[in-house]
Amino acid sequence: DAGVTQSPTHLIKTRGQQVTLRCSPKSGHDTVSWYQQALGQGPQFIFQYYEEEERQRGNFPDRFSGHQFPNYSSELNVNALLLGDSALYLCASSLGGWNIQYFGAGTRLSVL
Amino acid sequence: AQSVTQLGSHVSVSEGALVLLRCNYSSSVPPYLFWYVQYPNQGLQLLLKYTTGATLVKGINGFEAEFKKSETSFHLTKPSAHMSDAAEYFCAVSPSGNEKLTFGTGTRLTIIP
Repeated sequence: DAGVTQSPTHLIKTRGQQVTLRCSPKSGHDTVSWYQQALGQGPQFIFQYYEEEERQRGNFPDRFSGHQFPNYSSELNVNALLLGDSALYLCASSLGGWNIQYFGAGTRLSVL
Repeated sequence: AQSVTQLGSHVSVSEGALVLLRCNYSSSVPPYLFWYVQYPNQGLQLLLKYTTGATLVKGINGFEAEFKKSETSFHLTKPSAHMSDAAEYFCAVSPSGNEKLTFGTGTRLTIIP
């Protein structure tokens, strides 16, 4: 049983570029949440997708957007990248919303 | 708004010694509390969770935590540290389990041989 998988594992971008991160949830899960973990900090909630809609959002600007596909996989898009967007981006999946979340290994984004 | 405070960004204990990682929470409603562990270059793994009921919660790898409402605490303990316990530990809170997780800033646990 595959767990939560994220791609790519590492990514380097320059300021102003756009990036797309991908997440496949654990088998049987229908909810995907995205978190940003800056160096030395705890993860911060970006948003959650359920039934292909954004159900809840944290305190992140509109430059951060997402999508959930019918197979429950999800994408996180960040536009107009800033140096401060450099972080580990974690995807977590769960069943039916805010039940136990299972995390992927993350995508480490470096913005130069 | 809910929050958690983890006291001590770095904790070092000797192998075989007691592990105590501290977490205090703030929540306007009965909280759901979690401890996650993060090994290098990996995602977060759930150690244990408190929802309702018994205040002493047992988790994986010999860890346990006790919910103390009067002290607004949810400290993580393990009687005897193993080298494999070296990792980053995060406490998290969710109001009533129906909202986002809010994480603390983490505690890096080092085990001294």
